[in-house]
Amino acid sequence: QVQLQESGPGLVKPSQTLSLTCTVSGASIGSSDFHWTWIRQPAGKGLEWIGRVHTTGNSYYNPSLQSRVTMSVDPSKNQFSLNLRSVTAADTAIYYCARDEGLAVPRWFERWGQGTLVIVSS
Amino acid sequence: DIVMTQSPDSLAVSLGERATINCKSSKSVLLYSNNKNCLAWYQQKPGQPPKLLIYWASIRESGVPDRFRGSGSGTDFTLTISSLQAEDVAVYYCQQYHSSPTFGQGTKVEI
Repeated sequence: QVQLQESGPGLVKPSQTLSLTCTVSGASIGSSDFHWTWIRQPAGKGLEWIGRVHTTGNSYYNPSLQSRVTMSVDPSKNQFSLNLRSVTAADTAIYYCARDEGLAVPRWFERWGQGTLVIVSS
Repeated sequence: DIVMTQSPDSLAVSLGERATINCKSSKSVLLYSNNKNCLAWYQQKPGQPPKLLIYWASIRESGVPDRFRGSGSGTDFTLTISSLQAEDVAVYYCQQYHSSPTFGQGTKVEI
């Protein structure tokens, strides 16, 4: 069974870069046709799709975050990563990694990590 | 972006009674290539990630009880819990994937 686990700093200073990693177990990212996704949820609020990335390096980001987001995949470690630049307090949220069931285009999200809280504060 | 609006924001339902959650999209999410609606439903309990319930508007994910039913087409969708159980207390979200994915604001279901 595919499992995902987020990791990374829980506290990031304003204007710096938020960097998170998702480790996948139970499946090989490198041999998968699926895309790997980041979604975030501010405390007590709704869900926001950040973007998705494929092993080939193909990525697709939320237009509202596109200028600050980079995602990448490391098949050798079975991990994928999120970098969000120039963060502000508005980026404080629980960040989830998930598997996108879509191939060519985004679809639904069946497998999720447990989420990691990132607070942006000085 | 396609904006997803759920109603109500919260509802209280007696055990064994029906719960109905509505989701409206600002544009049609019907995919003409396969005549399917790009709409999913999730259940989120406190401290947990969302759990996929339904995709393509009406297809239940494996293992999801059949008391959960998704319906609708175009811009108007409904999630119905036919007989509410205590374990169904949660926040429910709809999500469209016709374009860059977006979620509704959530509907809190209580007993």
